[in-house]
Amino acid sequence: NAGVMQNPRHLVRRRGQEARLRCSPMKGHSHVYWYRQLPEEGLKFMVYLQKENIIDESGMPKERFSAEFPKEGPSILRIQQVVRGDSAAYFCASSPYGEAGYTFGSGTRLTVV
Amino acid sequence: DAKTTQPTSMDCAEGRAANLPCNHSTISGNEYVYWYRQIHSQGPQYIIHGLKNNETNEMASLIITEDRKSSTLILPHATLRDTAVYYCIALIQGAQKLVFGQGTRLTINP
Repeated sequence: NAGVMQNPRHLVRRRGQEARLRCSPMKGHSHVYWYRQLPEEGLKFMVYLQKENIIDESGMPKERFSAEFPKEGPSILRIQQVVRGDSAAYFCASSPYGEAGYTFGSGTRLTVV
Repeated sequence: DAKTTQPTSMDCAEGRAANLPCNHSTISGNEYVYWYRQIHSQGPQYIIHGLKNNETNEMASLIITEDRKSSTLILPHATLRDTAVYYCIALIQGAQKLVFGQGTRLTINP
């Protein structure tokens, strides 16, 4: 039973480009969460999604960031026009019933140059 | 969600029990205590959670005081691979959003 799969593991983007981070939840899990960890800082909640619905996006920056979890396929966190301050580790997690003991993936490390 | 307070760092000898304390003096009756850990550069790992009874699983034990103002995570036989940052989080029943503090950096020494 594969865990939460995130890809790519490492992503390098130039300032102004777009970054797409993918997350495939565990089999049977329909709840997905995204967190961000800036260098030398703690983990911060970004967004909580169920299939085709955004449930809580209170942690998402107001501009340039968006997330989706379509009926088919992985959840996508999209960052448009990346800036150096977006460099961070982005972690995805999933759960089957929307409970907080969820399983995290290994993360995507985004570096903006 | 109630604020939690943890020591910044702790050391423990390999093979001994590691006891990680957490204070949550303002916790309300419907708030659970969750523990996660993050081994360097990896995603956080769920360990255990409880409401008021002590809990045990294959990873750890959670001891919650009777007044629920504090708790202790116990790793019964610590190994080098248990070196990590451990987070204690108070979370209202049904809530989804984990608020990670600074946690306790636990170092297991050979």
